[in-house]
Amino acid sequence: GESVGLHLPTLSVQEGDNSIINCAYSNSASDYFIWYKQESGKGPQFIIDIRSNMDKRQGQRVTVLLNKTVKHLSLQIAATQPGDSAVYFCAETGETSARQLTFGSGTQLTVLP
Amino acid sequence: GAVVSQHPSWVICKSGTSVKIECRSLDFQATTMFWYRQFPKQSLMLMATSNEGSKATYEQGVEKDKFLINHASLTLSTLTVTSAHPEDSSFYICSARDGVSGKETQYFGPGTRLLVL
Repeated sequence: GESVGLHLPTLSVQEGDNSIINCAYSNSASDYFIWYKQESGKGPQFIIDIRSNMDKRQGQRVTVLLNKTVKHLSLQIAATQPGDSAVYFCAETGETSARQLTFGSGTQLTVLP
Repeated sequence: GAVVSQHPSWVICKSGTSVKIECRSLDFQATTMFWYRQFPKQSLMLMATSNEGSKATYEQGVEKDKFLINHASLTLSTLTVTSAHPEDSSFYICSARDGVSGKETQYFGPGTRLLVL
């Protein structure tokens, strides 16, 4: 079936550096994408979203890039801080009537001092 | 805005008992809520879609008689794990979507950790 996957299960970055987390999706009908951050023992927290009619969207310290040609999504975090350490999930909504989310497997981001 | 709460945050119960988990949207009306299950070091697995005033739609492999879902109001959905067994131990998370604004973003609750002894 269709799935959303992540390239790397873990990512370690130095504090202050930029982080890039990648995600590949396979459903060509996906038209809405979300990045979530999940800290240990907590529910996912919304970070940023993007629709398929856009290729870039910026938030505070975060940027999401969407490449529909290769079905690739990335999350860039500028000046990574210790509080950014968490698991990051990409999720996509396809053509189901209820617009359910399909989650990727997650990337554990560790920020090194 | 867009706050979702869950209660309880954790529960320990004996095998064979039933456990009810509440999910509330605190500052918006949620016509649709979702229930997920998450095992350690794994992603979220959708269990069911809950629509206010109608029956929930369960994902393949999820027993509807085991996991009872009620969405009686626009701000409350409940998940009842009936006759719980140790294999039901997991992290249960709900999410809600703002039905009034029409925004697609799902906002998640803090999760409920269930341990069945």
